[in-house]
Amino acid sequence: DADVTQTPRNRITKTGKRIMLECSQTKGHDRMYWYRQDPGLGLRLIYYSFDVKDINKGEISDGYSVSRQAQAKFSLSLESAIPNQTALYFCATSDGTDLWPEAFFGQGTRLTVV
Amino acid sequence: EDQVTQSPEALRLQEGESSSLNCSYTVSGLRGLFWYRQDPGKGPEFLFTLYSAGEEKEKERLKATLTKKESFLHITAPKPEDSATYLCAVSNFGNEKLTFGTGTRLTIIP
Repeated sequence: DADVTQTPRNRITKTGKRIMLECSQTKGHDRMYWYRQDPGLGLRLIYYSFDVKDINKGEISDGYSVSRQAQAKFSLSLESAIPNQTALYFCATSDGTDLWPEAFFGQGTRLTVV
Repeated sequence: EDQVTQSPEALRLQEGESSSLNCSYTVSGLRGLFWYRQDPGKGPEFLFTLYSAGEEKEKERLKATLTKKESFLHITAPKPEDSATYLCAVSNFGNEKLTFGTGTRLTIIP
């Protein structure tokens, strides 16, 4: 099984619908992140959480919300999806006790908003 | 604000033709520079972390180097299976977040 699991892997939804993307990890890491990836723009940070009680906005948080249900679970919600939220979404984790923590990524969720 | 610029955007090489990818960065206090490999439709896979200028790390046909302003990923005698997008990212001591470049899409032609 993958260390970082994202569900669903693919999703098509209509404009205005609420959608949740889920992420779970078995690495025991305290830190979790949500990124989106668009062609030509690279990976951009949406939200991050350094522990269960700590949630922080990234560079592009507008239109998104998150919930850290447990150390191993971090979900991303689009309250009212719009077409420009069509992208590839990645969850990642890292170990905050490492001096130079590298991020471990899930396989991604391809979201299409029509 | 941290910035990462990667060049070239795309690179096509013949099998066995060595080359280098560039990652230029601006960061207030470099904590680490990271290289990742990403295959189509998959999440980035960690390759290297570099911590200080002058450092070098190697893995199979890849060698990463670091100066105070840029990092290079050298690919020696590449094979078709090295085809992927290579991403560079930096983290700083102030916020510990990763800032990514847009990547170099590498294609190795048999």
